[in-house]
Amino acid sequence: GENVEQHPSTLSVQEGDSAVIKCTYSDSASNYFPWYKQELGKRPQLIIDIRSNVGEKKDQRIAVTLNKTAKHFSLHITETQPEDSAVYFCAAGQFYFGTGTSLTVIP
Amino acid sequence: GAVVSQHPSWVICKSGTSVKIECRSLDFQATTMFWYRQFPKQSLMLMATSNEGSKATYEQGVEKDKFLINHASLTLSTLTVTSAHPEDSSFYICSAGQGAGGTEAFFGQGTRLTVV
Repeated sequence: GENVEQHPSTLSVQEGDSAVIKCTYSDSASNYFPWYKQELGKRPQLIIDIRSNVGEKKDQRIAVTLNKTAKHFSLHITETQPEDSAVYFCAAGQFYFGTGTSLTVIP
Repeated sequence: GAVVSQHPSWVICKSGTSVKIECRSLDFQATTMFWYRQFPKQSLMLMATSNEGSKATYEQGVEKDKFLINHASLTLSTLTVTSAHPEDSSFYICSAGQGAGGTEAFFGQGTRLTVV
């Protein structure tokens, strides 16, 4: 099956700085890569996704890049705000998740 | 987006008793639902894949006799934690998708189980 690795497990940044989270996957047949944000005690919610026919996608302060050859993809959050503090999960497909990154934005 | 509802949101039970958690897709039919267990600030650990009308597929290391899954209809899957023990205390969450694997997963709101 698919194996998704995610780094770092924890990340602290100053408000206004950028945050980058990286994931790798093992199955070259995977073609859908979503990112989820989970606030404490709540359900994960999709924040952005990318398909294998696209190398980069951006939505306001959030962007995702995909390198299919290297089998890795990354989440970039610019101009971070305290409300960005949460756990972020990458995924390959619908049910293979990375191990999560706990992001803390320091005001 | 699609809505997945999970009930109850929290439950406290005595050691040795069984607890049933329900996961419903409210506005779409889900032939497959997924059950996860999550520890604080940790990853979603896939426990099993629930298939409508057939037996669930359990991940390695998950006891199928302890975590009973039933997916009797296209909108409802249940997870029953049998003979619960304190070490079963955790956050359990289900998900479903509207299409094949290349689409977003929609999550239930999760169930906080505490076994005393």
